[in-house]
Amino acid sequence: GNSVTQMEGPVTLSEEAFLTINCTYTATGYPSLFWYVQYPGEGLQLLLKATKADDKGSNKGFEATYRKETTSFHLEKGSVQVSDSAVYFCAQRGETSGSRLTFGEGTQLTVNP
Amino acid sequence: GAGVSQSPSNKVTEKGKDVELRCDPISGHTALYWYRQSLGQGLEFLIYFQGNSAPDKSGLPSDRFSAERTGGSVSTLTIQRTQQEDSAVYLCASSFLGYGYTFGSGTRLTVV
Repeated sequence: GNSVTQMEGPVTLSEEAFLTINCTYTATGYPSLFWYVQYPGEGLQLLLKATKADDKGSNKGFEATYRKETTSFHLEKGSVQVSDSAVYFCAQRGETSGSRLTFGEGTQLTVNP
Repeated sequence: GAGVSQSPSNKVTEKGKDVELRCDPISGHTALYWYRQSLGQGLEFLIYFQGNSAPDKSGLPSDRFSAERTGGSVSTLTIQRTQQEDSAVYLCASSFLGYGYTFGSGTRLTVV
Protein backbone atom coordinates (compact mmCIF):
# COMPACT_ATOMS: atom_id res chain seq x y z
CA GLY A 1 0.00 0.00 0.00
CA ASN A 2 0.90 3.65 -0.05
CA SER A 3 3.33 4.82 2.58
CA VAL A 4 5.57 7.75 3.51
CA THR A 5 8.91 7.54 5.27
CA GLN A 6 10.55 10.64 6.61
CA MET A 7 13.73 11.46 8.39
CA GLU A 8 13.71 10.67 12.05
CA GLY A 9 14.01 13.52 14.46
CA PRO A 10 14.44 15.45 16.47
CA VAL A 11 16.51 17.87 14.46
CA THR A 12 18.22 20.76 16.24
CA LEU A 13 19.81 23.60 14.28
CA SER A 14 21.20 27.03 14.93
CA GLU A 15 19.50 30.04 13.41
CA GLU A 16 20.49 30.65 9.75
CA ALA A 17 21.56 27.04 9.24
CA PHE A 18 20.52 25.04 6.18
CA LEU A 19 17.67 22.58 6.67
CA THR A 20 16.93 19.33 4.88
CA ILE A 21 14.26 16.89 6.00
CA ASN A 22 14.19 13.77 3.87
CA CYS A 23 10.95 12.20 2.69
CA THR A 24 10.39 9.19 0.44
CA TYR A 25 7.16 7.54 -0.58
CA THR A 26 5.80 4.34 -2.05
CA ALA A 27 2.68 4.55 -4.15
CA THR A 28 0.86 3.15 -7.12
CA GLY A 29 0.19 5.68 -9.81
CA TYR A 30 0.99 9.34 -9.44
CA PRO A 31 0.21 10.73 -6.00
CA SER A 32 0.20 14.35 -4.96
CA LEU A 33 2.80 15.20 -2.31
CA PHE A 34 2.56 17.59 0.60
CA TRP A 35 4.44 19.03 3.53
CA TYR A 36 2.39 20.03 6.56
CA VAL A 37 3.64 21.95 9.59
CA GLN A 38 2.35 21.84 13.15
CA TYR A 39 3.47 24.74 15.34
CA PRO A 40 3.35 24.24 19.12
CA GLY A 41 -0.24 24.19 20.34
CA GLU A 42 -1.69 24.63 16.88
CA GLY A 43 -3.33 22.48 14.23
CA LEU A 44 -1.79 21.15 11.05
CA GLN A 45 -1.22 23.68 8.30
CA LEU A 46 -0.37 23.04 4.70
CA LEU A 47 3.15 24.31 4.02
CA LEU A 48 3.57 23.39 0.35
CA LYS A 49 2.54 20.83 -2.22
CA ALA A 50 3.40 19.38 -5.62
CA THR A 51 0.99 17.48 -7.81
CA LYS A 52 3.19 16.01 -10.54
CA ALA A 53 6.75 14.93 -11.23
CA ASP A 54 9.38 17.68 -11.28
CA ASP A 55 6.99 20.21 -9.74
CA LYS A 56 8.55 22.36 -7.03
CA GLY A 57 6.40 23.49 -4.14
CA SER A 58 7.53 26.55 -2.21
CA ASN A 59 6.30 28.71 0.65
CA LYS A 60 7.88 30.85 3.40
CA GLY A 61 11.36 30.07 2.11
CA PHE A 62 10.77 26.32 2.17
CA GLU A 63 11.03 24.25 -1.01
CA ALA A 64 10.49 20.65 -2.05
CA THR A 65 10.75 19.04 -5.48
CA TYR A 66 8.68 16.02 -6.58
CA ARG A 67 11.27 13.48 -7.76
CA LYS A 68 9.57 10.48 -9.30
CA GLU A 69 12.82 8.73 -10.19
CA THR A 70 13.87 8.63 -6.54
CA THR A 71 10.30 8.70 -5.10
CA SER A 72 11.35 11.59 -2.90
CA PHE A 73 10.04 14.97 -1.76
CA HIS A 74 12.75 16.38 0.51
CA LEU A 75 12.03 19.62 2.35
CA GLU A 76 14.73 22.32 2.30
CA LYS A 77 15.23 25.81 3.60
CA GLY A 78 18.37 27.84 3.13
CA SER A 79 18.32 29.76 6.40
CA VAL A 80 16.08 28.68 9.26
CA GLN A 81 14.67 30.96 11.93
CA VAL A 82 13.67 30.32 15.52
CA SER A 83 10.05 30.72 14.40
CA ASP A 84 10.43 27.65 12.14
CA SER A 85 10.55 25.41 15.21
CA ALA A 86 7.69 22.97 14.70
CA VAL A 87 6.85 19.42 13.68
CA TYR A 88 6.95 18.80 9.93
CA PHE A 89 4.93 16.05 8.25
CA CYS A 90 5.38 14.71 4.76
CA ALA A 91 2.22 13.30 3.17
CA GLN A 92 0.88 11.85 -0.05
CA ARG A 93 -2.59 11.60 -1.53
CA GLY A 94 -3.72 9.21 -4.23
CA GLU A 95 -4.98 10.29 -7.61
CA THR A 96 -8.70 9.91 -7.03
CA SER A 97 -10.68 12.70 -5.43
CA GLY A 98 -11.47 11.94 -1.81
CA SER A 99 -8.34 9.86 -1.39
CA ARG A 100 -7.00 9.98 2.11
CA LEU A 101 -3.76 11.68 3.03
CA THR A 102 -1.10 9.23 4.18
CA PHE A 103 1.41 10.84 6.54
CA GLY A 104 4.92 10.19 7.61
CA GLU A 105 5.71 10.09 11.31
CA GLY A 106 6.74 13.72 11.56
CA THR A 107 10.07 15.39 12.26
CA GLN A 108 10.48 17.70 15.22
CA LEU A 109 12.63 20.73 14.34
CA THR A 110 14.08 23.01 16.99
CA VAL A 111 15.96 26.13 15.93
CA ASN A 112 18.11 27.81 18.57
CA PRO A 113 19.07 31.48 18.46
CA GLY B 1 -17.63 28.69 9.46
CA ALA B 2 -14.24 30.10 8.69
CA GLY B 3 -12.38 26.99 9.75
CA VAL B 4 -12.83 23.44 10.97
CA SER B 5 -14.07 23.47 14.53
CA GLN B 6 -13.59 20.58 16.93
CA SER B 7 -15.00 20.13 20.39
CA PRO B 8 -14.13 19.63 23.09
CA SER B 9 -10.53 20.76 22.79
CA ASN B 10 -9.59 18.60 25.74
CA LYS B 11 -11.32 15.60 27.26
CA VAL B 12 -10.30 13.54 30.26
CA THR B 13 -12.33 10.41 30.78
CA GLU B 14 -12.21 7.33 32.95
CA LYS B 15 -11.34 4.00 31.43
CA GLY B 16 -14.50 2.20 30.34
CA LYS B 17 -16.56 5.33 29.70
CA ASP B 18 -17.89 6.35 26.30
CA VAL B 19 -16.84 9.62 24.67
CA GLU B 20 -18.12 11.65 21.74
CA LEU B 21 -15.91 13.97 19.74
CA ARG B 22 -17.43 16.53 17.43
CA CYS B 23 -16.22 18.04 14.18
CA ASP B 24 -17.86 20.98 12.44
CA PRO B 25 -16.34 21.28 8.96
CA ILE B 26 -16.06 24.28 6.69
CA SER B 27 -19.43 25.05 5.16
CA GLY B 28 -19.77 23.44 1.74
CA HIS B 29 -16.93 20.99 2.20
CA THR B 30 -18.17 17.64 0.99
CA ALA B 31 -15.38 15.44 2.31
CA LEU B 32 -14.53 14.94 5.97
CA TYR B 33 -11.71 12.91 7.49
CA TRP B 34 -10.82 11.75 10.99
CA TYR B 35 -7.22 11.08 11.98
CA ARG B 36 -5.55 10.11 15.25
CA GLN B 37 -2.18 11.42 16.41
CA SER B 38 -0.65 9.47 19.25
CA LEU B 39 2.31 10.77 21.24
CA GLY B 40 5.44 10.56 19.13
CA GLN B 41 3.55 9.02 16.22
CA GLY B 42 2.43 10.22 12.86
CA LEU B 43 -1.15 10.72 11.85
CA GLU B 44 -3.22 7.57 11.60
CA PHE B 45 -6.21 7.64 9.25
CA LEU B 46 -9.49 6.56 10.83
CA ILE B 47 -12.42 7.24 8.49
CA TYR B 48 -13.48 9.28 5.47
CA PHE B 49 -16.92 10.69 4.71
CA GLN B 50 -18.20 11.90 1.38
CA GLY B 51 -21.46 13.61 2.20
CA ASN B 52 -23.15 11.46 4.81
CA SER B 53 -21.71 8.16 3.67
CA ALA B 54 -18.39 6.63 4.68
CA PRO B 55 -16.76 4.97 1.66
CA ASP B 56 -13.57 4.29 3.63
CA LYS B 57 -13.65 3.35 7.29
CA SER B 58 -10.77 0.96 7.08
CA GLY B 59 -8.73 2.85 9.67
CA LEU B 60 -11.12 2.42 12.61
CA PRO B 61 -9.00 0.38 15.04
CA SER B 62 -11.79 -1.67 16.62
CA ASP B 63 -15.55 -1.99 16.82
CA ARG B 64 -15.46 0.33 19.83
CA PHE B 65 -14.95 3.16 17.37
CA SER B 66 -17.77 4.51 15.22
CA ALA B 67 -18.53 7.74 13.42
CA GLU B 68 -21.44 9.37 11.74
CA ARG B 69 -22.09 12.48 9.73
CA THR B 70 -25.46 14.15 9.40
CA GLY B 71 -26.75 16.70 6.93
CA GLY B 72 -23.48 16.55 5.08
CA SER B 73 -22.02 18.68 7.83
CA VAL B 74 -21.25 17.89 11.47
CA SER B 75 -19.56 14.60 12.29
CA THR B 76 -19.32 12.76 15.59
CA LEU B 77 -16.65 10.20 16.44
CA THR B 78 -17.73 7.90 19.27
CA ILE B 79 -15.40 5.71 21.28
CA GLN B 80 -17.11 3.18 23.50
CA ARG B 81 -15.58 1.62 26.60
CA THR B 82 -12.45 3.76 26.32
CA GLN B 83 -9.06 2.22 26.97
CA GLN B 84 -5.80 3.91 27.91
CA GLU B 85 -4.38 3.21 24.46
CA ASP B 86 -7.14 5.43 23.03
CA SER B 87 -5.38 8.47 24.53
CA ALA B 88 -4.35 10.65 21.59
CA VAL B 89 -5.17 13.82 19.71
CA TYR B 90 -8.09 13.26 17.35
CA LEU B 91 -7.94 15.49 14.29
CA CYS B 92 -10.66 16.26 11.83
CA ALA B 93 -10.15 17.68 8.35
CA SER B 94 -12.52 18.75 5.64
CA SER B 95 -12.13 19.43 1.96
CA PHE B 96 -14.16 20.22 -1.12
CA LEU B 97 -14.31 17.10 -3.30
CA GLY B 98 -11.12 15.82 -1.67
CA TYR B 99 -8.87 18.73 -2.58
CA GLY B 100 -7.33 21.29 -0.24
CA TYR B 101 -7.60 19.78 3.22
CA THR B 102 -8.17 22.08 6.21
CA PHE B 103 -7.50 20.62 9.63
CA GLY B 104 -9.10 21.48 12.94
CA SER B 105 -7.06 22.03 16.08
CA GLY B 106 -7.98 18.62 17.41
CA THR B 107 -9.40 17.07 20.56
CA ARG B 108 -6.86 15.86 23.08
CA LEU B 109 -8.31 12.74 24.71
CA THR B 110 -6.80 11.40 27.91
CA VAL B 111 -8.09 8.14 29.34
CA VAL B 112 -7.21 7.65 33.01
